[in-house]
Amino acid sequence: NAGVTQTPKFQVLKTGQSMTLQCAQDMNHEYMSWYRQDPGMGLRLIHYSVGAGITDQGEVPNGYNVSRSTTEDFPLRLLSAAPSQTSVYFCASSYGIPPVGYTFGSGTRLTVV
Amino acid sequence: GQQLNQSPQSMFIQEGEDVSMNCTSSSIFNTWLWYKQDPGEGPVLLIALYKAGELTSNGRLTAQFGITRKDSFLNISASIPSDVGIYFCAGRGDDKIIFGKGTRLHILP
Repeated sequence: NAGVTQTPKFQVLKTGQSMTLQCAQDMNHEYMSWYRQDPGMGLRLIHYSVGAGITDQGEVPNGYNVSRSTTEDFPLRLLSAAPSQTSVYFCASSYGIPPVGYTFGSGTRLTVV
Repeated sequence: GQQLNQSPQSMFIQEGEDVSMNCTSSSIFNTWLWYKQDPGEGPVLLIALYKAGELTSNGRLTAQFGITRKDSFLNISASIPSDVGIYFCAGRGDDKIIFGKGTRLHILP
């Protein structure tokens, strides 16, 4: 069982570039979410999904898009990267709506220069 | 929006000491969760609490769900070097899980 798989693990982007952070889970969890972690700020919710075809905004959604075409996959798109988006990004999934408790991926460390 | 206040922000302790950290909120939560994050990894669930007043242990870790449903604490007894890391509390409201800013635990040699 792989759990929650995030790719890539590291990425450097130039300002204005776009990219997609991939997240896949093999636990048949309905609930998936994206967080960003910045020093001293804890984990802040970007977007979440309660099932295929359903997404909603979290605390800090600006500059990010998501889609959920399958139960397994929940990609996060940066439309035009900015230095303020330099962060560590975590994907997490949970069974139950509302979520019972998360299983996290190992993170993507993104640097925007 | 809902916010969690986690304290302390960091702790420096000697190996073998007990540790206590807590989370408070102005909002009521249905579930309290405690996670630990090792460097370079995602957070891992340590303890989940589902009922007000609930006291749950996991080895040397003990956590409690406050009676008012607005707070929770985590205790670690007899700390060891592998306890180093960041500990996050999290509260589950109606449809989201909100995280505290974390307590960074350092263990002095």
